[in-house]
Amino acid sequence: GNSVTQMEGPVTLSEEAFLTINCTYTATGYPSLFWYVQYPGEGLQLLLKATKADDKGSNKGFEATYRKETTSFHLEKGSVQVSDSAVYFCALSDQTGANNLFFGTGTRLTVIP
Amino acid sequence: DAGVTQSPTHLIKTRGQHVTLRCSPISGHKSVSWYQQVLGQGPQFIFQYYEKEERGRGNFPDRFSARQFPNYSSELNVNALLLGDSALYLCASRGRVGATDTQYFGPGTRLTVL
Repeated sequence: GNSVTQMEGPVTLSEEAFLTINCTYTATGYPSLFWYVQYPGEGLQLLLKATKADDKGSNKGFEATYRKETTSFHLEKGSVQVSDSAVYFCALSDQTGANNLFFGTGTRLTVIP
Repeated sequence: DAGVTQSPTHLIKTRGQHVTLRCSPISGHKSVSWYQQVLGQGPQFIFQYYEKEERGRGNFPDRFSARQFPNYSSELNVNALLLGDSALYLCASRGRVGATDTQYFGPGTRLTVL
């Protein structure tokens, strides 16, 4: 079946620190991979995505590379800001007709000045 | 352009009652999916509708039902509410239903069952 395992949180970093949030997946076939972000009191926003092996998704300084050999899609940012404080969800889109999203449990990031 | 909209924003019900949640997709999007997000967890898929037909159903009891209207808006209905149904209910829309197509989420409806 399909599943996503995310690094457990919460994560607390100082401003300008390097961020890595680990994500590994189990899926049949070749899923698309996504990172969504949820700011306090808001819904989910797409942060970035990758649709095939070795693709790199990037947005707002965040990056993640689709690694088929390690079934991973780790999120990285070189220098975090206070405004990056949020919950980050890794997700995959399965290959069935419905192509639904399977989410990890989320990682809460707090960036302190 | 308006994003995905959901109503109501918050809702408080008691056990055994029925609830209807509403969603309007982004203009031009024909697919709507519903997700349940329990506090501290990732969203879980409930239903997907495309062109007014059910295209997928998650592992939820028959108390949960949904439909899509000719204008592509959607309703999620939950009967005989349980305490465990308390959650944020998210609606997502997309133009097509391929695996690579991005789903755009609304702000959610926070349901509290007392």
